Amino acid sequence: GNSVTQMEGPVTLSEEAFLTINCTYTATGYPSLFWYVQYPGEGLQLLLKATKADDKGSNKGFEATYRKETTSFHLEKGSVQVSDSAVYFCALGTTGTASKLTFGTGTRLQVTL
Amino acid sequence: EAGVAQSPRYKIIEKRQSVAFWCNPISGHATLYWYQQILGQGPKLLIQFQNNGVVDDSQLPKDRFSAERLKGVDSTLKIQPAKLEDSAVYLCASSPPRQNTEAFFGQGTRLTVV
Repeated sequence: GNSVTQMEGPVTLSEEAFLTINCTYTATGYPSLFWYVQYPGEGLQLLLKATKADDKGSNKGFEATYRKETTSFHLEKGSVQVSDSAVYFCALGTTGTASKLTFGTGTRLQVTL
Repeated sequence: EAGVAQSPRYKIIEKRQSVAFWCNPISGHATLYWYQQILGQGPKLLIQFQNNGVVDDSQLPKDRFSAERLKGVDSTLKIQPAKLEDSAVYLCASSPPRQNTEAFFGQGTRLTVV
């Protein structure tokens, strides 16, 4: 079945540091890939997505590239801010209009001054 | 555009009691999901509806959990009787009838079973 594996957290970085959160997946077919973010006290929000191989999703300075050859979708940001502190979830969605979303366990990011 | 609405936001019950959660998806969204998120874990799909039909309920503990989506719009998720291990955030999400689209999540209902 489909599954998503994320790097363990928490990840603690100083402001302006480079961020990478690793995500790999197992899936049949050609899934879409997503990064969701959950800020403290808030619901899950879509951060970025990619729907086919070699696509790059980007938003708010975050980027992730859909790598079919390595089944990966690593999240990166060149310079993190304190406001980026949150839990980040990698997810994959099956193809079609009734997509089934499978989530990773989440990675908590703490950014300090 | 209004988001996914869920109620209540918080609920505390004793074990063996029953509880119900309500979800109103974004207008026009055919697919509705209920997820369970236990503290420190990723969301786990409980049930997925397409309009008012069930697409996937393979991970729904059917001896105690039930869900319905009448008229293909609102949905309710019920737990009866609740166990301590049901303490979690219950998330409702919906998605439009488009290919490869994301799901939009509500704020969730935090359930504590004591």
